Amino acid sequence: QSALTQPPSASGSPGQSVTISCTGTSSDVGGYNYVSWYQQHPGKAPKLMIYEVSKRPSGVPDRFSGSKSGNTASLTVSGLQAEDEADYYCSSYAGSNNFVFGTGTKVTVL
Amino acid sequence: EVQLVQSGAEVKKPGESLKISCKGSGYSFTSYWIGWVRQMPGKGLEWMGIIYPGDSDTRYSPSFQGQVTISADKSISTAYLQWSSLKASDTAMYYCARHEEARRSIDYWGQGTLVTVSS
Repeated sequence: QSALTQPPSASGSPGQSVTISCTGTSSDVGGYNYVSWYQQHPGKAPKLMIYEVSKRPSGVPDRFSGSKSGNTASLTVSGLQAEDEADYYCSSYAGSNNFVFGTGTKVTVL
Repeated sequence: EVQLVQSGAEVKKPGESLKISCKGSGYSFTSYWIGWVRQMPGKGLEWMGIIYPGDSDTRYSPSFQGQVTISADKSISTAYLQWSSLKASDTAMYYCARHEEARRSIDYWGQGTLVTVSS
């Protein structure tokens, strides 16, 4: 299974929105509603931001939202804040208790 | 409070063996899949595989099948990642991660174990 494809970088000014795409295949993203998104700050472990395509864990701001269409999932961060600057990774269930991560996107707050 | 506490950083030579650990606490260790994620220096996350400590059912990413061994000792709530012969390309940060089965997502992460393989 190949890594899901994400753009290497995305950016926006404070208060603006940024959307990150995550493209897979019908064997992973397109086949299951089990796409997750993780935020990773430098030197830190990743943190779950979105699960099951669009659900937020307790404590995650509602500025973070997720969606999916076909083989592509998306994460939107609205009202960008300085602390949102981080690497973001999507992940998808790929069947038989296997998972795959995306290539990662570095979000810069200008 | 759920915690995953990993063993400390390791420096090894090519060809040596290694086993790193991840101790879970604050939850029923045998009721959740626990897995390993590799992050090579400056690179992205790679899912390696998972184990269900309750019955030792183990799944590997095709990329890591045969390269590493994942195991668990439920009596001490600890999962392991093992290499029989390290290569320089195994140099990376390794995270253990609890998988929430119903949500098919990772809800808790260990702090990471840095493995450096160098002659």
